[in-house]
This record gives sequence, structure tokens and C-alpha cells, in this order.
Amino acid sequence: QKEVEQDPGPLSVPEGAIVSLNCTYSNSAFQYFMWYRQYSRKGPELLMYTYSSGNKEDGRFTAQVDKSSKYISLFIRDSQPSDSATYLCAMTRTGFQKLVFGTGTRLLVSP
Amino acid sequence: GVTQSPTHLIKTRGQQVTLRCSSQSGHNTVSWYQQALGQGPQFIFQYYREEENGRGNFPPRFSGLQFPNDSSELNVNALELDDSALYLCASSLEKGGGTDTQYFGPGTRLTVL
Repeated sequence: QKEVEQDPGPLSVPEGAIVSLNCTYSNSAFQYFMWYRQYSRKGPELLMYTYSSGNKEDGRFTAQVDKSSKYISLFIRDSQPSDSATYLCAMTRTGFQKLVFGTGTRLLVSP
Repeated sequence: GVTQSPTHLIKTRGQQVTLRCSSQSGHNTVSWYQQALGQGPQFIFQYYREEENGRGNFPPRFSGLQFPNDSSELNVNALELDDSALYLCASSLEKGGGTDTQYFGPGTRLTVL
């Protein structure tokens, strides 16, 4: 079993839809949770960074962490074709050198 | 930002390769990740102030160097077909990947034939 599970998709939605992306994890020691966006042939770009449980909002993006369920989510409101990319969840804990990534979910937003 | 060279590279099995990374100015830590097609990045190792500071499940033929001028290298010896992947470097200001944001470069795509 992988430490972080993420549905690879693709997830296809029409422009303007609300998108929900999710990851589950098995290591209860993880404390820091990130969402990265990766366009084709590019490096990952940090979108959201949260610590422990709770919600964080930044523009059209909302990140949620439920540590009791070991479940994190990224919501994208009013999705745009420019949001079409692969979304990677990542997590780590204090003293850990590495980020542990999910496989990424490919999102396609059609005009 | 973080830059990497070359963009693409084609090698044959058994050869050696060196990939280069230039960190954001002032960042003390560089991490290297391998991203196979359709997978998330996998941690190779991290360097902090020119010393290896943690390693993932990669064999010793993967090695690295970090230089004082914000540059670093990933070296891979005895290339295997499964080494074909996108290699990403990420720099951060402090040691460790938890409390500090890692900024990724665009990657080097390595193809091993």
C-alpha cells in the first residue's frame, strides 16, 4: 500500500464547475500538507500549504485537511481551461527531509 | 527561480550522466526527485550546506554534489532503462522539507535507451 493515494483521473469538467481533488494517506505523523500544480513538461508549482487540520482559502482555491480521517482535499471554484494540469498532493512532517507525493490527478477543464 | 540543465537528455544503458541545478539565491538546501511517467515525484536525496542530509530508496549509483555558489549536481552511474524519468531539483531556504517551502525547477527529462 502506498503512503499517499490519489486517483490519477483524468477528471473532465466544463468551465465554471467546482472541482474536488482528494488524497488519502496512511502515516498519521504527517503534519504539513501541500498541493502542487504541474503543467505538461514543467516542474511542480506550489498552490496551497497547510499545517495540521482545518481549511485554508486562497482566491478560487480551498484546501481542507481532516487528520482524523487521513484525508485532504483541494477545491477549485469557477474552474478555467487554464486550470487544466496535473494536481499533486504532498505531505511531510517535522524533521523529515522529503516530501511524499501522490501520483497526481490530471484535470481537464473544457471551454 | 530554480533552473535546471539540460532540458532533455538521451543516454544508453550503462552510461553515466550529470544533471545540473541552480537554486534560488540564498537557499541552503537542495533536494532531488525522480518522477516517472504518470507517477508522483520520488525523493532521491537532499543536500544542506554541501553535505548529504537524507536519502530515499535509491542505490549508491545515484550521487550528488552541492556547491557554495547555489549550484548542485545529480550524477547517475551505470544507467538502467528504468532510470528514464523527469528529474526535478527543489531548493528551500532552511534544512528539511516540512516547515519550509520547496521550490521546484522545470526538470530534466532523461531517456535511457
